[in-house]
Amino acid sequence: SAVISQKPSRDICQRGTSLTIQCQVDSQVTMMFWYRQQPGQSLTLIATANQGSEATYESGFVIDKFPISRPNLTFSTLTVSNMSPEDSSIYLCSVEVLGRNTEAFFGQGTRLTVV
Amino acid sequence: GQNIDQPTEMTATEGAIVQINCTYQTSGFNGLFWYQQHAGEAPTFLSYNVLDGLEEKGRFSSFLSRSKGYSYLLLKELQMKDSASYLCAVFNFNKFYFGSGTKLNVKP
Repeated sequence: SAVISQKPSRDICQRGTSLTIQCQVDSQVTMMFWYRQQPGQSLTLIATANQGSEATYESGFVIDKFPISRPNLTFSTLTVSNMSPEDSSIYLCSVEVLGRNTEAFFGQGTRLTVV
Repeated sequence: GQNIDQPTEMTATEGAIVQINCTYQTSGFNGLFWYQQHAGEAPTFLSYNVLDGLEEKGRFSSFLSRSKGYSYLLLKELQMKDSASYLCAVFNFNKFYFGSGTKLNVKP
């Protein structure tokens, strides 16, 4: 299993500013992911955070808007840049533990409100 | 592309049995997962199917038919605390792709 600490848990930000969300895992993991969950909807994968290389973004998400860092196997950050009210959402960090019992574990999420 | 469909919302009575269906059309498949998510909380793992058939874990069971692109989650002896959203997810090329989720309302 994996325990994930994500912060901040919530924030209210002014439009045009940027927010960096941190994700710390209690063990070394290969696969780390960032998701967005808009109100009443399911999780949408933003990108895969790769250790030692650029993140891999899903369709509709770009590095300029959502820069990601992955300096080591236990830590990653997601920045939401130049925010607008449409970015108001919950952002979740996730790690995958692969093997006999493959499973995804999630951080508690960051509830972002852009005003 | 990835297309995963679930009903938006369901209502059931405490003590009853409910089945939540999930159909999927994906470019690859390495497993089908079910997650539970209470309002304002992170998703938590419920079950995992990689082969056809039924997997049982206490009050929860999950079924998979890969040839039909179909899964269901069966919840027995419903309790009020089972009111939550249930997310179907396909694991594919080391990534999870989630359905829109089914909000289950359990009534007394």
